[in-house]
Amino acid sequence: AQTVTQSQPEMSVQEAETVTLSCTYDTSESDYYLFWYKQPPSRQMILVIRQEAYKQQNATENRFSVNFQKAAKSFSLKISDSQLGDAAMYFCAYRWRGGSRLTFGEGTQLTVNP
Amino acid sequence: NAGVTQTPKFQVLKTGQSMTLQCAQDMNHEYMSWYRQDPGMGLRLIHYSVGAGITDQGEVPNGYNVSRSTTEDFPLRLLSAAPSQTSVYFCASSYGTDGYEAFFGQGTRLTVV
Repeated sequence: AQTVTQSQPEMSVQEAETVTLSCTYDTSESDYYLFWYKQPPSRQMILVIRQEAYKQQNATENRFSVNFQKAAKSFSLKISDSQLGDAAMYFCAYRWRGGSRLTFGEGTQLTVNP
Repeated sequence: NAGVTQTPKFQVLKTGQSMTLQCAQDMNHEYMSWYRQDPGMGLRLIHYSVGAGITDQGEVPNGYNVSRSTTEDFPLRLLSAAPSQTSVYFCASSYGTDGYEAFFGQGTRLTVV
């Protein structure tokens, strides 16, 4: 069975600075997708970024980028130039390429200090 | 463009009561799922469906039933509510597998007293 682990229950960052959220996962599959979702206080789940396991290039979306280390089964999220609106719960998630089921990590609560 | 619509947004039940959480999507997605979110545990899969008439159990299915009679709707039934079912419930849908994005409803906060 696949597992996803986020070892940082809480993180904080100063506005305009950079923060990295960690995620590790375990799977026996070689072809899969990894996702970061953001959940603000509104409870809405918002996709931040996705990574295809067979692509070596790290995904980037504006201020959000990932460091994908397939051999180490690590998938961290870097937020640059942090903004107050980035404050949220962040979830790392895994999905096998041929399946529809998402496996989530425990979540990291990010606080952005002005 | 409604996306995924969940009702109700909040609900309080007494132990032993039954209820149905509604989920509807207007994006013609084949794949739909129900998750529950608990503090420190992330989201866990309850049941999922890969198309009308097809459902399967996820990680934590006990105490819940689902059915999928149409592509659009995927209701979740609590048969006899228990305090352990106090949680936030999310319905999600996606067009397919691969890297297709899962779209989530706004969630239902359920409290069982």
